[in-house]
Amino acid sequence: ELKVEQNPLFLSMQEGKNYTIYCNYSTTSDRLYWYRQDPGKSLESLFVLLSNGAVKQEGRLMASLDTKARLSTLHITAAVHDLSATYFCAVDEGSNYKLTFGKGTLLTVNP
Amino acid sequence: NAGVTQTPKFQVLKTGQSMTLQCAQDMNHEYMSWYRQDPGMGLRLIHYSVGAGITDQGEVPNGYNVSRSTTEDFPLRLLSAAPSQTSVYFCASSEPDSSEGAFFGQGTRLTVV
Repeated sequence: ELKVEQNPLFLSMQEGKNYTIYCNYSTTSDRLYWYRQDPGKSLESLFVLLSNGAVKQEGRLMASLDTKARLSTLHITAAVHDLSATYFCAVDEGSNYKLTFGKGTLLTVNP
Repeated sequence: NAGVTQTPKFQVLKTGQSMTLQCAQDMNHEYMSWYRQDPGMGLRLIHYSVGAGITDQGEVPNGYNVSRSTTEDFPLRLLSAAPSQTSVYFCASSEPDSSEGAFFGQGTRLTVV
């Protein structure tokens, strides 16, 4: 059974600071996704990582994938309040239709 | 382009009642899935479909039925609602090996009393 562990589950940051969210998973997979969810809303796709060593950046967020270590990271640079949300990583077991999600990281960015 | 549309957005059921959550996508995606989201649990896969006429169980299928008669629609049926099925339900669609990942609907918040 595939397990996906995110940490931390709760993260309170000050604006302007940097931090990293970690996503470990228990099986070999080279497809990993990061999603953002605002309260009461749906999931918004942030990054799709499809191979070992993949790195993608969008604004203040950067995601990477190390399939050998079974680890993905989501790095936040100079956090701003608008980044406050819950972030999920999800590992693909079957080519885009069978995702296993981590429990999510609730990020709060304080002024 | 509507993407993935779920109806209803909110629903309250009494224990033992049945109902169908609707999901439709207009992107001609081959794959569709249903997830439930509970506090502190992330999203868990209920059922999925890799094409019209083909469905399979996910991690938490008990108490739910699905069918896929068309590419566009993937309804989720609760046969006899239980309080444990109180949750937020998300439908998703995707294409095989797509670099875009899965697209999610807006969710249905279901309360069983």
